[in-house]
Amino acid sequence: DFQMTQSPSSLSASVGDRVTITCRASQSISSSLNWYQQKPGKAPKLLISSSSNLQTGVPARFGGSGSGSDFTLTISSLQPEDFATYYCQQSYSIPWTFGQGTKVEI
Amino acid sequence: QVQLVESGGGLVKPGGSLRLSCAASGFSFGDYYMSWIRQAPGKGLEWVSYITSSGRSIYYADSVKGRFTISRDNANNSVSLQMHGLRAEDTAVYYCAREMSGNYATFDSWGLGTLVTVSS
Repeated sequence: DFQMTQSPSSLSASVGDRVTITCRASQSISSSLNWYQQKPGKAPKLLISSSSNLQTGVPARFGGSGSGSDFTLTISSLQPEDFATYYCQQSYSIPWTFGQGTKVEI
Repeated sequence: QVQLVESGGGLVKPGGSLRLSCAASGFSFGDYYMSWIRQAPGKGLEWVSYITSSGRSIYYADSVKGRFTISRDNANNSVSLQMHGLRAEDTAVYYCAREMSGNYATFDSWGLGTLVTVSS
């Protein structure tokens, strides 16, 4: 199985800060990496697919990059509504696996 | 708009069975692959099972293989998860999720989830 490791597990930041979350795969997954946002008590929401494709309706302050084993989710200017947990997920090979999550606190 | 509504969760004793259902609306259900994904209380996300649009191909996580069965009814726009031999570690919110068209294993729509609690 492909193990996905996110760092950090949590972070505290201020409104307007630039925030970076990293996701590392145990083996190369090409660009088969998705990012989700989950707010408390809610279902996950797809933010970015295939490493860098921003989903329709997702603010442009969110960006994704990377290929192979190392990936990054960047929030260029953190907003209060971005308080959430973020998960990466590899779509390269079954079983599809998620990172353990990164909790962003404002 | 796309809507996925799970039902069937509840409290069940270890070793018991439960059947979850997911009713889909707002899209052409029969054209999409579907998955079940779960989240234990306070924990991360775990993919559980997947079924192609026709139902011909099905996959399971090792943790549920042999105990869970996924199925779908395209005429009634629903996907189900039959769970047998439930264990305490199966306690979780179970989400029904749609695979994004043209994007393998990318889940673009999720239901609100249904809670399964396995406890004596």
